[in-house]
Amino acid sequence: GESVGLHLPTLSVQEGDNSIINCAYSNSASDYFIWYKQESGKGPQFIIDIRSNMDKRQGQRVTVLLNKTVKHLSLQIAATQPGDSAVYFCAEKVYNFNKFYFGSGTKLNVKP
Amino acid sequence: ETGVTQSPTHLIKTRGQQVTLRCSSQSGHNTVSWYQQALGQGPQFIFQYYREEENGRGNFPPRFSGLQFPNYSSELNVNALELDDSALYLCASSAGGYNTEAFFGQGTRLTVV
Repeated sequence: GESVGLHLPTLSVQEGDNSIINCAYSNSASDYFIWYKQESGKGPQFIIDIRSNMDKRQGQRVTVLLNKTVKHLSLQIAATQPGDSAVYFCAEKVYNFNKFYFGSGTKLNVKP
Repeated sequence: ETGVTQSPTHLIKTRGQQVTLRCSSQSGHNTVSWYQQALGQGPQFIFQYYREEENGRGNFPPRFSGLQFPNYSSELNVNALELDDSALYLCASSAGGYNTEAFFGQGTRLTVV
């Protein structure tokens, strides 16, 4: 079946630095992607989404980049803060199908 | 807060028992999806309900079943519990349509002993 994987299982950054979390997806038919943040003991929290007709989308302190040629997704967090420490998941979805496929996540550690 | 609430937050059951988990979707959302999240892994899709009908199912056995009510709240039922069913069960609601964001509840932590 389809799979969504992340290159780095753990990422440690200094407070104030920018963070980049990467995600590879295998289904070229996927056309909608979401980044989620999950803190310990909580459900995934929606961060930002992007559709396949776009290659970049910006939110507050976050930017998602989509490269359909190499099936790669990234989440950039500017000026990383201690509150950004969590596990980040990318999720992909194919139009006309009802389920999201999640990767195993990347743990972001922000050092003060 | 997403407006998606799940109950209970924690549950301990014995192998072979049955369990019912509940989810109230966000106001205005008619679609509810259920996911299972094992420790250290990403959520795995169980099934989705749209306007009270099952609308897609993942690779889970029939002992995982669900319901959606007219107010769009939902239940997940698991029969004949197995030890491997221990996980965080997540409910996500969305407004319907194929490419809309899904908002998750805080989950129910199920432990099967």
